[in-house]
Amino acid sequence: DTEVTQTPKHLVMGMTNKKSLKCEQHMGHRAMYWYKQKAKKPPELMFVYSYEKLSINESVPSRFSPECPNSSLLNLHLHALQPEDSALYLCASSQGQADYNEQFFGPGTRLTVL
Amino acid sequence: AQTVTQSQPEMSVQEAETVTLSCTYDTSESDYYLFWYKQPPSRQMILVIRQEAYKQQNATENRFSVNFQKAAKSFSLKISDSQLGDAAMYFCAYRRRGTGNQFYFGTGTSLTVIP
Repeated sequence: DTEVTQTPKHLVMGMTNKKSLKCEQHMGHRAMYWYKQKAKKPPELMFVYSYEKLSINESVPSRFSPECPNSSLLNLHLHALQPEDSALYLCASSQGQADYNEQFFGPGTRLTVL
Repeated sequence: AQTVTQSQPEMSVQEAETVTLSCTYDTSESDYYLFWYKQPPSRQMILVIRQEAYKQQNATENRFSVNFQKAAKSFSLKISDSQLGDAAMYFCAYRRRGTGNQFYFGTGTSLTVIP
């Protein structure tokens, strides 16, 4: 199984809503990542978890709150988002954080903030 | 921070022909990894090919090969015998050697394959 799954596929939320994005992998990977991607732009790193601990936070606003309940699951909790937060949110995982490790990407959640 | 530049926002190629996508990067490091990722429309990003900077031999994966010029800091991707399924956004990425270092992605090249 070389798959990273993400739910939901699409999400529309208002600026006062609270919602969560979910990411799952069963490859035994110990590093998991959240990226934000705008249309026709490269992915921008948001957070990295290594062995279920947050290792990188790229100065992301606190309205995004990541959580790694176990080694297979990664959540991104959303609260009080802005319209400019509308984007494709990608989850990825890798064997570890070593330099040669390939990142496996999920299909993404397309988020629209009204 | 490292920068990765893809100077061709869009490229097109006839089916069965060969196309080369360019990528340059800026780094003061001597040891690093370079990657090409492919992102088809509405589908997930997948790794196409990976190159280790300390290896002089260019990486190849079936119809995909790279031309790695370390001194020029250039890492181009050649796609031979292009197929309709090759149509996608292609991102070049750099990662410094060592643990815990992030990927730096280029701005992407959108490849169209003409039947």
